[in-house]
Amino acid sequence: NAGVTQTPKFRVLKTGQSMTLLCAQDMNHEYMYWYRQDPGMGLRLIHYSVGEGTTAKGEVPDGYNVSRLKKQNFLLGLESAAPSQTSVYFCASSTERILSPQHFGDGTRLSIL
Amino acid sequence: SQQGEEDPQALSIQEGENATMNCSYKTSINNLQWYRQNSGRGLVHLILIRSNEREKHSGRLRVTLDTSKKSSSLLITASRAADTASYFCATDGGATNKLIFGTGTLLAVQP
Repeated sequence: NAGVTQTPKFRVLKTGQSMTLLCAQDMNHEYMYWYRQDPGMGLRLIHYSVGEGTTAKGEVPDGYNVSRLKKQNFLLGLESAAPSQTSVYFCASSTERILSPQHFGDGTRLSIL
Repeated sequence: SQQGEEDPQALSIQEGENATMNCSYKTSINNLQWYRQNSGRGLVHLILIRSNEREKHSGRLRVTLDTSKKSSSLLITASRAADTASYFCATDGGATNKLIFGTGTLLAVQP
């Protein structure tokens, strides 16, 4: 039972490079989320999706794009990476019930040099 | 801005002791959730308490909610070294679809 799987687990980028983080869930959840976690800041919501084909902005969306082409996958893209985007990124999913418990992946540790 | 703020920021106790963490929030809520995060791992949901509930138990965990004071507490009884982790509260802030997480309490349980 995999739950939520994030790929890759670690990545180092140079400023200006682009990359895509992949999140996959096998629980048939409608809702999916991308967060970033920085020291002393807790988790901050970047973007989220309430179903296949839908996306919405969270608290800190600038510099990121997302896509939810398939229900089980939620992609987070960085078009032109900046050092301020160095962080640990977490994906989560939840059922269609509003504000139900969220299930998290183990994160992607991203460093931008 | 953070909706939930945990207190204390860090807590160190001996195995077998009880650990209490507090969470204060700013706006009305529909529910409040507590999560645990082990080092290098994702968050794991522990317990959800609805705004019309005052107390909830799950194994060694006891959560209370006081909506008049906009605060919640998480009590871990008879702590174990394996309870060493960061603990976060999360609230909906009255909005749908989104949770807002606090900055967490780092709990260290010494064997």
